[in-house]
Amino acid sequence: DTGVSQNPRHKITKRGQNVTFRCDPISEHNRLYWYRQTLGQGPEFLTYFQNEAQLEKSRLLSDRFSAERPKGSFSTLEIQRTEQGDSAMYLCASVRGHRETQYFGPGTRLLVL
Amino acid sequence: SQELEQSPQSLIVQEGKNLTINCTSSKTLYGLYWYKQKYGEGLIFLMMLQKGGEEKSHEKITAKLDEKKQQSSLHITASQPSHAGIYLCGADMNYGGSQGNLIFGKGTKLSVKP
Repeated sequence: DTGVSQNPRHKITKRGQNVTFRCDPISEHNRLYWYRQTLGQGPEFLTYFQNEAQLEKSRLLSDRFSAERPKGSFSTLEIQRTEQGDSAMYLCASVRGHRETQYFGPGTRLLVL
Repeated sequence: SQELEQSPQSLIVQEGKNLTINCTSSKTLYGLYWYKQKYGEGLIFLMMLQKGGEEKSHEKITAKLDEKKQQSSLHITASQPSHAGIYLCGADMNYGGSQGNLIFGKGTKLSVKP
């Protein structure tokens, strides 16, 4: 079963450090979404890609966040100068086409000390 | 205000009992998705509903979308400990040029007592 995978699963970092997460979508899924989930809340949309093009960013995505999807395959989400408020679960989802099912990865749990 | 309201926030049921979780919006839902999440893990897809009045079932779980496409319910029959977890509804609320991102409710935490 080649589902969505995310690495690392857990990351602990000190405030001010940079972190990078990776998402490998289901092959042939051309849309890829990043969400953030904090305790007791549902996931919140951050950004999405159609193939390699980043088409939308939410207001939650500050200048310290950057995402890429080179060649339309895997995607990376980088957070620069991390803050304690960045502590959350970062989820990636991939979709084959418009308004089809979004399949989520296991998430990367970030703790900023 | 929350665009998608889920109720109840938490639920404790005895094994074998039936239960219903609701998801309500003031806006039309163009796609309604139900997911299950265990603590600290990703979301597991359960069902997707798109048409008003649509109903889908899988094993002991049934999901319905009302005719107006503003409310959905998830019903579990004869609950088992394996049903325990957080149930999330997510919806596509963007008509037309939608980028397809989902808006989620806060989730319903289900505990099943053996």
